[in-house]
Amino acid sequence: DAGVTQSPTHLIKTRGQQVTLRCSPKSGHDTVSWYQQALGQGPQFIFQYYEEEERQRGNFPDRFSGHQFPNYSSELNVNALLLGDSALYLCASSMFPPSYEQYFGPGTRLTVT
Amino acid sequence: KQEVTQIPAALSVPEGENLVLNCSFTDSAIYNLQWFRQDPGKGLTSLLLIQSSQREQTSGRLNASLDKSSGRSTLYIAASQPGDSATYLCAGDNYGQNFVFGPGTRLSVLP
Repeated sequence: DAGVTQSPTHLIKTRGQQVTLRCSPKSGHDTVSWYQQALGQGPQFIFQYYEEEERQRGNFPDRFSGHQFPNYSSELNVNALLLGDSALYLCASSMFPPSYEQYFGPGTRLTVT
Repeated sequence: KQEVTQIPAALSVPEGENLVLNCSFTDSAIYNLQWFRQDPGKGLTSLLLIQSSQREQTSGRLNASLDKSSGRSTLYIAASQPGDSATYLCAGDNYGQNFVFGPGTRLSVLP
């Protein structure tokens, strides 16, 4: 079982650019959640996808968008990058409803310069 | 709105000590409570999940308890080892909602 995988591992972007992060859930899981973790803080919920639809959203601007594919994998897109978007982006997968054990991927470290 | 706090923010102990990490949440309607470990720059590793009908879970040297009425969970680590050094995070959810994380406790176990 491959577990949750994320790509890329690291990414460096310039302010104003756009970025796409990818996540493949653990085998058998159908729900994907995305979190942003700033240095020294706990992860903050961005949004959650199930059945290719956004089911829940945290307090993040519309610059953050996502997608889930029929194979349950997911993408996180961030437009018009700001310096404050620099963080570790974590993907978690679980069964729906989301009140089950969540499994996290290794994360994507995004640096905006 | 569920808010989660963790005390202490950082802890340094000599190898072999038993220790307790604390997690508090504001909404007693919490459904599940999950403890994670995070090594520097890495993702989260699930340690223990306490589901809604449970009061505690044990795995090896780890024991986690949940008291919904007081809004508290504790993670007990027995006979700590240098390999236990990491940040420990707790997260809780209200049924069907996303997990809300605490800021974490940074643990250092000295040889």
